[in-house]
Amino acid sequence: AQKVTQAQTEISVVEKEDVTLDCVYETRDTTYYLFWYKQPPSGELVFLIRRNSFDEQNEISGRYSWNFQKSTSSFNFTITASQVVDSAVYFCALSEDSGAGSYQLTFGKGTKLSVIP
Amino acid sequence: DAGVTQSPTHLIKTRGQHVTLRCSPISGHKSVSWYQQVLGQGPQFIFQYYEKEERGRGNFPDRFSARQFPNYSSELNVNALLLGDSALYLCASSPGGGRRTQYFGPGTRLTVL
Repeated sequence: AQKVTQAQTEISVVEKEDVTLDCVYETRDTTYYLFWYKQPPSGELVFLIRRNSFDEQNEISGRYSWNFQKSTSSFNFTITASQVVDSAVYFCALSEDSGAGSYQLTFGKGTKLSVIP
Repeated sequence: DAGVTQSPTHLIKTRGQHVTLRCSPISGHKSVSWYQQVLGQGPQFIFQYYEKEERGRGNFPDRFSARQFPNYSSELNVNALLLGDSALYLCASSPGGGRRTQYFGPGTRLTVL
């Protein structure tokens, strides 16, 4: 069965500090997809990034960067020079390629990030 | 383009009642999924529909049911409500056909008294 673990429940940083959110996953499939979503206080989940299991290239997008390592089953997310607007709950999620056309997402419990001015 | 829309925004019901939640996907998206998010937890998968057919079902009791209409909108029905059904219900849409990134709506906050 697939599982996603976000060990950090809450993180507080001072504005402009860098912060890394950890995600460890478990799956028996060789083809799978990893996602990060952001949930601000309004409640709507906002898609940030998707990574395929066969693409280990790390990515930087503005202040965001992602580090995908299959060897350690980790997909970590770093925010550089954090801002107050980054305060939210961040979820890591996993989708296996079941072959039945199901896109079911398995989420971690989330990490609440508070950026203090 | 409009994102995923859900109605109603908030809902208060009493135990034993029935509720229907509605979702309209992003234009052109053919797959709709439903998730339940209890306070302080990550969303839990309930159903996925693609082209009006059920493609996945999570570990929820038969009191939960859903359907997708020809215009790809969807309804989630919950019968015999329990206090534990109080949660944020999220709808997500994706294009389908292998394009699996899901885009979420604002959710419906259900409170069962």
